[in-house]
Amino acid sequence: QSVLTQPPSVSGAPGQTVTISCTGSSSDIGAGYDVQWYRQLPRTAPKLLIYGNSNRPSGVPDRFSGSKSGTSASLAINGLQAEDEADYYCQSYDGSRYVFGSGTEVTVL
Amino acid sequence: QVQLQESGPGLVEPSETLSLTCTVSGGSISTYYWSWIRQPAGKGLEWIGRIYDSGATTHNPSLRSRVTMSVDTSKNQFSLKMTSVTAADTAVYYCARGSITTPGNRWFDPWGQGALVTVSS
Repeated sequence: QSVLTQPPSVSGAPGQTVTISCTGSSSDIGAGYDVQWYRQLPRTAPKLLIYGNSNRPSGVPDRFSGSKSGTSASLAINGLQAEDEADYYCQSYDGSRYVFGSGTEVTVL
Repeated sequence: QVQLQESGPGLVEPSETLSLTCTVSGGSISTYYWSWIRQPAGKGLEWIGRIYDSGATTHNPSLRSRVTMSVDTSKNQFSLKMTSVTAADTAVYYCARGSITTPGNRWFDPWGQGALVTVSS
């Protein structure tokens, strides 16, 4: 059972913007710990997409942006593309362990 | 660039011990934190624990009593052992490198490709 809550799925047409929420508590995100986001393509390992709430690793397009407020965080994908179809996971820390979100499947219509 | 590769038996009998090794190539195992993370089929990710090059470890409290981790810096490898496995431990097991930041601000990158471990008789 995941500690961080994400919507099971979101969808959008090519070119649109979709947003994925990640809701935690005062023990994890709300305690000031950073939020990371990972993208997992089918049958592959997760890959870092956003770190430190809003930073993009080298090579990640600026269509991806992250934010954090209170006990929640969000990932926005602007200009949705077919290749963005994947599962997305948020990750944080609760003082004793690293915790992940339940995962969100992004579908491009 | 740093690459990680998991290896170990893909089938483990119930009540036995699961053993996996992660080999790090393209960089040194020193200085960084190294984690094990697992994912049951169709489900989310669960952090198992991490080890530093000194051998210091931190475990997920929910798994602590069954998990042992070790590191071999001479081989650039670290390992996971999980005892008394059940079908609920069937998952893809990933090894990943943790960033050199404070614990509460740590991310995982890169990840190994994953190793499927099935617990069945």
